[in-house]
Amino acid sequence: AQSVTQLGSHVSVSEGALVLLRCNYSSSVPPYLFWYVQYPNQGLQLLLKYTSAATLVKGINGFEAEFKKSETSFHLTKPSAHMSDAAEYFCAVSDHPSGTYKYIFGTGTRLKVLA
Amino acid sequence: NAGVTQTPKFRVLKTGQSMTLLCAQDMNHEYMYWYRQDPGMGLRLIHYSVGEGTTAKGEVPDGYNVSRLKKQNFLLGLESAAPSQTSVYFCASRDSGLAEAFFGQGTRLTVV
Repeated sequence: AQSVTQLGSHVSVSEGALVLLRCNYSSSVPPYLFWYVQYPNQGLQLLLKYTSAATLVKGINGFEAEFKKSETSFHLTKPSAHMSDAAEYFCAVSDHPSGTYKYIFGTGTRLKVLA
Repeated sequence: NAGVTQTPKFRVLKTGQSMTLLCAQDMNHEYMYWYRQDPGMGLRLIHYSVGEGTTAKGEVPDGYNVSRLKKQNFLLGLESAAPSQTSVYFCASRDSGLAEAFFGQGTRLTVV
């Protein structure tokens, strides 16, 4: 069965500081991995995805994530936080489209950016 | 380009009432999903569908039923609402050839 663990339900960083949001996954087959962002009272927007191509994936708004199979991790980073990055971030895992088709989310990390 | 549209956006129900949430997508996607979002619990998969006429249970299916009579629509039903079903419900769709899912704006449901 697939699962996702996000370490840290709340993360605070200063504006201009490094953002690091942690995600570990479990999957019995090669996974597809995703990061989504949710702004208050809105739906989820895709930040980036890993689909077994390059292990370092670049997304929108300056975010990137690295797939590390040996660590079963897919951590999200951004070199310099901006006030507009304050939101909730979700990591998700899906098996290959030929699998169960489920799309499983972590419990989310709320990012706060301090001026 | 509408994408994924959920109706209604807000609803208040009394315990024991029934209702249906509608999800409509105009992207001709094969797969559709219903999630509920609760504080500290992320998004939990209720039911999903891999094609017209098919449905399957997710992580938290109890108390909900679904139907996918048309490819573009995925309905989520609550036959007898309970306060524990107070939540924000999200629908998503996904093409068989794409990895990522696209989400609606959510339905905020309160059961009193």
